Amino acid sequence: DSGVTQTPKHLITATGQRVTLRCSPRSGDLSVYWYQQSLDQGLQFLIHYYNGEERAKGNILERFSAQQFPDLHSELNLSSLELGDSALYFCAAQAGLEDEAFFGQGTRLTVV
Amino acid sequence: AQKITQTQPGMFVQEKEAVTLDCTYDTSDPSYGLFWYKQPSSGEMIFLIYQGSYDQQNATEGRYSLNFQKARKSANLVISASQLGDSAMYFCAMREKWTGRRALTFGSGTRLQVQP
Repeated sequence: DSGVTQTPKHLITATGQRVTLRCSPRSGDLSVYWYQQSLDQGLQFLIHYYNGEERAKGNILERFSAQQFPDLHSELNLSSLELGDSALYFCAAQAGLEDEAFFGQGTRLTVV
Repeated sequence: AQKITQTQPGMFVQEKEAVTLDCTYDTSDPSYGLFWYKQPSSGEMIFLIYQGSYDQQNATEGRYSLNFQKARKSANLVISASQLGDSAMYFCAMREKWTGRRALTFGSGTRLQVQP
């Protein structure tokens, strides 16, 4: 157990809907990264937050957004969902920018 | 261009034998870190081992060791004395420091199957 918690573990939703994925880092983790793992694209970086501020964006669609709250938990919002958004979404947290990243167990999103 | 290349989509190894999973990388950043993660069928990503670009010695963690050849830009994972529980996907990843992007870039992974 990495100590990084993601909820929910599984999510099934219809096309066009909006969902929110939650990530709770370990105490002291300031950085949260979101990654998407799909069969065709592999593991891709979406977005990085550090101490409440957005630090970097990767291959994140405009329909997706994220934020990190004062208690350092983070949420990834996915809207206007398409079948192709079905994937495993991970958050990874680390204490400082140079530390190792610990991954949550992931949220498996299925869009039907 | 691919930054992390894992050329072995699948590997088989007999239980108790050693296995090497290949990883090559490409970066112009002088300061970077290389990571290996294990992803069992349950889906979670488990950190295995880390090698910094300035580390003089190859990293080791229990049965895992990293064969770091900087000039060749390779960072192969060696698993000694394979166990059935080692069957999983293995991902090599890199984090660059000076580009300012701290996120991990992953390879496409190698599926390892340990046979009894």
